[in-house]
Amino acid sequence: GQSLEQPSEVTAVEGAIVQINCTYQTSGFYGLSWYQQHDGGAPTFLSYNGLDGLEETGRFSSFLSRSDSYGYLLLQELQMKDSASYFCAATSSNTGKLIFGQGTTLQVKP
Amino acid sequence: DVKVTQSSRYLVKRTGEKVFLECVQDMDHENMFWYRQDPGLGLRLIYFSYDVKMKEKGDIPEGYSVSREKKERFSLILESASTNQTSMYLCASSFSGANTGELFFGEGSRLTVL
Repeated sequence: GQSLEQPSEVTAVEGAIVQINCTYQTSGFYGLSWYQQHDGGAPTFLSYNGLDGLEETGRFSSFLSRSDSYGYLLLQELQMKDSASYFCAATSSNTGKLIFGQGTTLQVKP
Repeated sequence: DVKVTQSSRYLVKRTGEKVFLECVQDMDHENMFWYRQDPGLGLRLIYFSYDVKMKEKGDIPEGYSVSREKKERFSLILESASTNQTSMYLCASSFSGANTGELFFGEGSRLTVL
């Protein structure tokens, strides 16, 4: 089977740093993506890790460890607008098929 | 800008009706996807198409079928709608291959089956 596990909820204060973890089990694995979704909106792509290590894009960073079947999304200098759901997704075939986790709801408080 | 357009934002159907959800993308993407999203369950893959007339079942294909006659269009069909198919349906597209992980989503179609 294929599954991705992430925490259901995370709360943090404005200006803080938060890490959202994701562990995965897939029959084939090519890389890990992260998506953001605001209430009522469509998911939007944040980052992709095809290789082990850290990828940085502005305030957001994403990390992958293939040996641990684990990744995380790191959000720095949190802003109120970062309150949203965050999904990890595994590319599970060489055609680009994506399987998503259940999502983590991040609430940023003043 | 990549645009993925879903034909209906909101639909209300009756149990047993046949339902068509249409999705069109304008970026010449090889891959197209249909997901459903329910609270607490994330996005679950219904079907995936990696080329015209090519399809692959996702995690929850039961009760659904798909059609991809043209590269830009991917249709989801509910042959006989049931109340447990009330959900938000999201279409997405991407380039072929496993090296970007980037999907482009439509705005979603919220289906209510009475």
